[in-house]
Parts: sequence; C-alpha cells; structure tokens
Amino acid sequence: AQSVTQPDIHITVSEGASLELRCNYSYGATPYLFWYVQSPGQGLQLLLKYFSGDTLVQGIKGFEAEFKRSQSSFNLRKPSVHWSDAAEYFCAVDDNYGQNFVFGPGTRLSVLP
Amino acid sequence: SAVISQKPSRDICQRGTSLTIQCQVDSQVTMMFWYRQQPGQSLTLIATANQGSEATYESGFVIDKFPISRPNLTFSTLTVSNMSPEDSSIYLCSVQSSFPLYEQYFGPGTRLTVT
Repeated sequence: AQSVTQPDIHITVSEGASLELRCNYSYGATPYLFWYVQSPGQGLQLLLKYFSGDTLVQGIKGFEAEFKRSQSSFNLRKPSVHWSDAAEYFCAVDDNYGQNFVFGPGTRLSVLP
Repeated sequence: SAVISQKPSRDICQRGTSLTIQCQVDSQVTMMFWYRQQPGQSLTLIATANQGSEATYESGFVIDKFPISRPNLTFSTLTVSNMSPEDSSIYLCSVQSSFPLYEQYFGPGTRLTVT
C-alpha cells in the first residue's frame, strides 16, 4: 500500500524567508501527487499537483513543488513566506485517478513577524 | 472547480446521540468521499459514495456507525451514530473533479464535539 511521510511536524520561519516542506512517498510506480493547505478552521485548498511532464510545478499563492523520482519526493517550496501562509500543509498521493487519496500527516507552518 | 458546502459547520452533541452531516455540491459529480480528521491528525478516508449504489467503506469504518446516503449527483449525507467522545473530529466531504481529472475538492468541514 502506498504511504506518505512528511518528516517535519512543525516548522517556524520568519516572514520573508524561504520555505521548503518535505514530502516522501512509498509507491511502486509514480502516483499523482498533490499539496493541500488547511488554514485554521477551514477546509483543504489545493495548492498544486503533479501528474506527469515537467517535474517542477507551479501552484497558487507563489508555491512550487519539485518531483524527484529518484528520491520519491515531492517537496513544496516558496521563496518568500507571508504571514498569511501560516497553516497546515498536507502532501497527498493518489494511484487511482482521484479515487484513492492517501494523505501525509501534515506539517504545521508558523510564521514569525 | 466545484464549490462544496457542508451543514452544520460545527456541533456539540451528547454521547449516544446521532448527527447527520450534509454535503452539497454546485455541480453534478460521480464520486463523493467522506473523510475524518481527528484532532491534530491527518485525513482518513471513511467511505466513497457513488450515486445509485451502496457506499464503499474503508477498513475500520462500518455502515452501522457511519451510514451514508447519496440520493443524487449533487448531495450526500453522513451520519455519525451512537456517538462517543472518540468521534470528536472534523468531518470533510470531497468530490472527484470531472475536469481536469484526478483532483479532489474539499468542503469546509464539520467540526463535531461529543461530550
């Protein structure tokens, strides 16, 4: 069965600093890969996704992620963090056309002023 | 993208009672999903609900505890039955997008507290 790990439970960065959130997956083939963000008291919002092609994908709110097959990773990055980015971030994989999502444990991002 | 609403947004219930959560989508979708997010945890899939057929439950979830209805292509309900404090969670519904494929869109969630 596929699984997703997010090694960092909680990350704190200063506003304006760069950010990288790590995601590793375990799966025999290349699954579909997603990053979602959950702000306090909110549902999940899709930031970006990777299906195939260019391994560097751009998302909303200035986020990008890079798929590295050799490392089974799909890390999320942002060059300059804003205070409004403070939230919980979930990496997810799917191996069945949107019908079999598995979520990672999440990384909570705090942003210092 | 689909716009999804859930009712209620939050509730506080007594143990032994049941709560029905509604999920409404602004477009017709084939597949809807119900997730549970326990406090401080990630999302766990409860079941997949297709219109016109019985819901498919994941391991650890049973129909008697979480009955699901899917009367049409825009609506579904999840009932949490005979609640205990361990059922205190956020319950989210999601839908599989029709285009582009392979995405899931989520509702805002229902925050349930059982006392």
